[in-house]
Amino acid sequence: TQLLEQSPQFLSIQEGENLTVYCNSSSVFSSLQWYRQEPGEGPVLLVTVVTGGEVKKLKRLTFQFGDARKDSSLHITAAQPGDTGLYLCAEFPSNTGKLIFGQGTTLQVKP
Amino acid sequence: DAGVIQSPRHEVTEMGQEVTLRCKPISGHNSLFWYRQTMMRGLELLIYFNNNVPIDDSGMPEDRFSAKMPNASFSTLKIQPSEPRDSAVYFCASSLASYNEQFFGPGTRLTVL
Repeated sequence: TQLLEQSPQFLSIQEGENLTVYCNSSSVFSSLQWYRQEPGEGPVLLVTVVTGGEVKKLKRLTFQFGDARKDSSLHITAAQPGDTGLYLCAEFPSNTGKLIFGQGTTLQVKP
Repeated sequence: DAGVIQSPRHEVTEMGQEVTLRCKPISGHNSLFWYRQTMMRGLELLIYFNNNVPIDDSGMPEDRFSAKMPNASFSTLKIQPSEPRDSAVYFCASSLASYNEQFFGPGTRLTVL
């Protein structure tokens, strides 16, 4: 079973700071998804990356897929309190419909 | 359009009692997933259905857990008998097909005393 390791586990920063969170695996990802989960709600899909080296931007969020497709990062520029939440990476292991999640990074952005 | 609907939102019960969690997927979605989220184990897939048929239930913890999908618009997850270690947030999600974007409900927070 492929394990997704996310780091850091917890991150507390001030509004306006930049941050990067990581998702790594010992195996190659077929594709990788990033979700954000706000307190009291279910996860919401932010982006799917498929191609090695791919970079996708969603406003202040930049997602990068490693060239070897074994790692991914999420960079947030000028974080805002509304970015607070749990950031999860997830992957479909090959030939299954099961979505496997990492443990997540809990981000707190203080005003 | 309504998203995935789950009920109840909160459930507090005593050990040994039967618990039934309910889910209404997004209309037109053919895949439905049940997850459990805890601090220790994160978000884990319990079971998923395609076209109302259970495809993979390898994540179901033990025989105390069962899930049904009698039609395309309704699914239940039942725990009988419940135990304190079952306390968690249970999410239902649906998607057009098993490899498509999953849409999660708001979850049911279960506390077993």
